[in-house]
Amino acid sequence: DSGVTQTPKHLITATGQRVTLRCSPRSGDLSVYWYQQSLDQGLQFLIQYYNGEERAKGNILERFSAQQFPDLHSELNLSSLELGDSALYFCASSPRASGRAFETQYFGPGTRLLVL
Amino acid sequence: AQSVAQPEDQVNVAEGNPLTVKCTYSVSGNPYLFWYVQYPNRGLQFLLKYITGDNLVKGSYGFEAEFNKSQTSFHLKKPSALVSDSALYFCAVRFPGANNLFFGTGTRLTVIP
Repeated sequence: DSGVTQTPKHLITATGQRVTLRCSPRSGDLSVYWYQQSLDQGLQFLIQYYNGEERAKGNILERFSAQQFPDLHSELNLSSLELGDSALYFCASSPRASGRAFETQYFGPGTRLLVL
Repeated sequence: AQSVAQPEDQVNVAEGNPLTVKCTYSVSGNPYLFWYVQYPNRGLQFLLKYITGDNLVKGSYGFEAEFNKSQTSFHLKKPSALVSDSALYFCAVRFPGANNLFFGTGTRLTVIP
């Protein structure tokens, strides 16, 4: 158990809908990262937050957004969902400092999203 | 261009035999290299990382990896494979100046009893 929790574990929804995925980082970790794992794209970085502020952006669609709250949990919002958004979404967290590239990222169990 | 590659989609090895899962990278500067394992319906579990220093890194569950700068490789190894090692293995690189991890495409390891 990495200490990173994600809810829900599974999510089934329809095209055009909006969903929110939630992540709680390990105790004391200030950085939260979101990744998407799909069969055709592999594991891709979406976005990073550090202590409530957006720190880095990857291949995140404009339909997707995220935020990190004062208690450090993070939410990933996916809107106008398409079939191709079906994937496993992982959250990861890393220890206190930002920008320290050698820090390990610890991953949560993921949320499996199925868009029908 | 900076990249990370896992040249083998699938590796099969007999139980008790040594295993190697390959990873190569291309980067300007010094990379930070990681290995993660993913079991079915589970998240990614951290195995080990190379930051600097000794080229042989020891990690969880008896795994180790060797950093080879001249060959730009970071192969994952284990002296004696267990059936329970069967899983999907990902090599990841954190390039200089980047906050996130770049993952290889993954290698599915099957240990045959």
